[in-house]
Amino acid sequence: ETGVTQSPTHLIKTRGQQVTLRCSSQSGHNTVSWYQQALGQGPQFIFQYYREEENGRGNFPPRFSGLQFPNYSSELNVNALELDDSALYLCASAAGTTQVRNEQFFGPGTRLTVL
Amino acid sequence: AQTVTQSQPEMSVQEAETVTLSCTYDTSENNYYLFWYKQPPSRQMILVIRQEAYKQQNATENRFSVNFQKAAKSFSLKISDSQLGDTAMYFCAFPFNAGGTSYGKLTFGQGTILTVHP
Repeated sequence: ETGVTQSPTHLIKTRGQQVTLRCSSQSGHNTVSWYQQALGQGPQFIFQYYREEENGRGNFPPRFSGLQFPNYSSELNVNALELDDSALYLCASAAGTTQVRNEQFFGPGTRLTVL
Repeated sequence: AQTVTQSQPEMSVQEAETVTLSCTYDTSENNYYLFWYKQPPSRQMILVIRQEAYKQQNATENRFSVNFQKAAKSFSLKISDSQLGDTAMYFCAFPFNAGGTSYGKLTFGQGTILTVHP
């Protein structure tokens, strides 16, 4: 069973640029959530995708957007990068959607640095 | 809105000893789950233990156990026989409904850095 993978591992961008981060969910999982984790802080929920549609969103501006593909992999896109976007971006996948108990399986994250 | 608070930024413990990490939360819901996650320096977030609020019995997973006090909205993690590999950041997490048809969206506490010394 393949776990959640993310690419790239590290990324450096400059202010104003756009970035795309990728996530492959664990086999059999159809729900993907994205989190932003600033250094020394807990992760903050960005949004969740279920069956290729956005299914809930946290307190993040519209320049944070995403996609989920038929194979349930996902992308996080951030436009007009700001210095405060520097963070570890975590992807988590889960099987099913309606049970609160569903365990989230996290990827290793992508470290984004905005200069 | 649900909030999760971890009041201990850092803790340390000697190998083989016991340590307890604290977590409090606020919610108006009656039936919910609580989670403790571990994030080692490798960054991979790993589920340590899960508690179902409607269960009276505290959850236990090998050396890890919780002390769940529903009325007090407290959810502490006890690590017994601490090992060097337990060194990590620990997060208490609470699932919330941020819209849409599903759950599984987590609110995390600020985290507690645990260092296990030889």
